[in-house]
Amino acid sequence: DGGITQSPKYLFRKEGQNVTLSCEQNLNHDAMYWYRQDPGQGLRLIYYSQIVNDFQKGDIAEGYSVSREKKESFPLTVTSAQKKPTAFYLCASSIWLYNEQFFGPGTRLTVL
Amino acid sequence: SQKIEQNSEALNIQEGKTATLTCNYTNYSPAYLQWYRQDPGRGPVFLLLIRENEKEKRKERLKVTFDTTLKQSLFHITASQPADSATYLCALGTQPSNTGKLIFGQGTTLQVKP
Repeated sequence: DGGITQSPKYLFRKEGQNVTLSCEQNLNHDAMYWYRQDPGQGLRLIYYSQIVNDFQKGDIAEGYSVSREKKESFPLTVTSAQKKPTAFYLCASSIWLYNEQFFGPGTRLTVL
Repeated sequence: SQKIEQNSEALNIQEGKTATLTCNYTNYSPAYLQWYRQDPGRGPVFLLLIRENEKEKRKERLKVTFDTTLKQSLFHITASQPADSATYLCALGTQPSNTGKLIFGQGTTLQVKP
């Protein structure tokens, strides 16, 4: 089955720790995206990547970092510099830039 | 300032009726607009895309209109069913269109009662 996976579904971390969220897709999509969703709010773009070894900051990149070493993988690191890291994180991919985006199931991160 | 607004209040309708959801935007020049469905605790699922030069798009019981003069998109679900209950998100694809970036509204929750 083709799709986009995120792991884990739930993640708990202590304040001050960095944490990396996994995102993998086997759809052969070029573009990948990371969003953050807070209760009652829309999705906000953190980072996106159009091709391997290239990525751009979205609207709320501060406190986050990404890498795109493989076409299939786009991990997101939430660093200790992110002031309010507790949120629902969604990864997405698209076949090219302005086609529909396919979303993963999300990772709910709670920082204690 | 740039804004995308969807009705923050939940929309409650009776099964079989047509649900109409609104997406308004200001200070954007969208190249296209997309609608997504999101169920609680899950990722959004793409429904429809409409481009700036298109007035209307249909897919089964779904219809989307796009009025760039009014800066508004309407999303209709005809013959609604309880299974249509979810949050619906609109998303603008902004100019330049080659970035692939989407700007999402906060979503409207639809509740269809049997």
